[in-house]
Amino acid sequence: EADIYQTPRYLVIGTGKKITLECSQTMGHDKMYWYQQDPGMELHLIHYSYGVNSTEKGDLSSESTVSRIRTEHFPLTLESARPSHTSQYLCASSVTARDSPLHFGNGTRLTVT
Amino acid sequence: EDQVTQSPEALRLQEGESSSLNCSYTVSGLRGLFWYRQDPGKGPEFLFTLYSAGEEKEKERLKATLTKKESFLHITAPKPEDSATYLCAVQAGGGSNYKLTFGKGTLLTVNP
Repeated sequence: EADIYQTPRYLVIGTGKKITLECSQTMGHDKMYWYQQDPGMELHLIHYSYGVNSTEKGDLSSESTVSRIRTEHFPLTLESARPSHTSQYLCASSVTARDSPLHFGNGTRLTVT
Repeated sequence: EDQVTQSPEALRLQEGESSSLNCSYTVSGLRGLFWYRQDPGKGPEFLFTLYSAGEEKEKERLKATLTKKESFLHITAPKPEDSATYLCAVQAGGGSNYKLTFGKGTLLTVNP
């Protein structure tokens, strides 16, 4: 039973469109993350947040942006989608403790044509 | 730079055939090593955290162990429902406290 929800599950969109991937969690976690995962490859961190109004870029360079206006909500936006953005995007959350495990959503599979 | 290498990339077992998955790592001060399970079309699901060499944790047919250079995920008498990709990740002890470095995973298939 998922406590972290991502919508849409699948998205096919044309080049140049603006898209927002939604992520919400009901666990009251302070930390939230966006990862990118391609088939057979490692998860790469693209954005993270320690709390409301706190956002940082991760290790993997990304043209996306994020916002954290409410604790439970952490949307990711691409202003102009390109085929290179085709990937699986995973949202996760965790409690504040440094070594706390991540709780993942089921992801959004994005295809840009 | 922190690195995680998982082997094998893929493993096929018959139901009941025990085996182990390997996670080799290099990290500047290990804070924690994590194992996750990922089913097709789903996000990773947390299994274990290991903190220091010699530590072991068990859950049903899975047992995770840790040394200073690697971790093993032992699967005893696996069932078809154990089929999944198993991911290993390490967290460094110093600096930014968010950073997890993931391996590419081992795809486990258990045939009935």
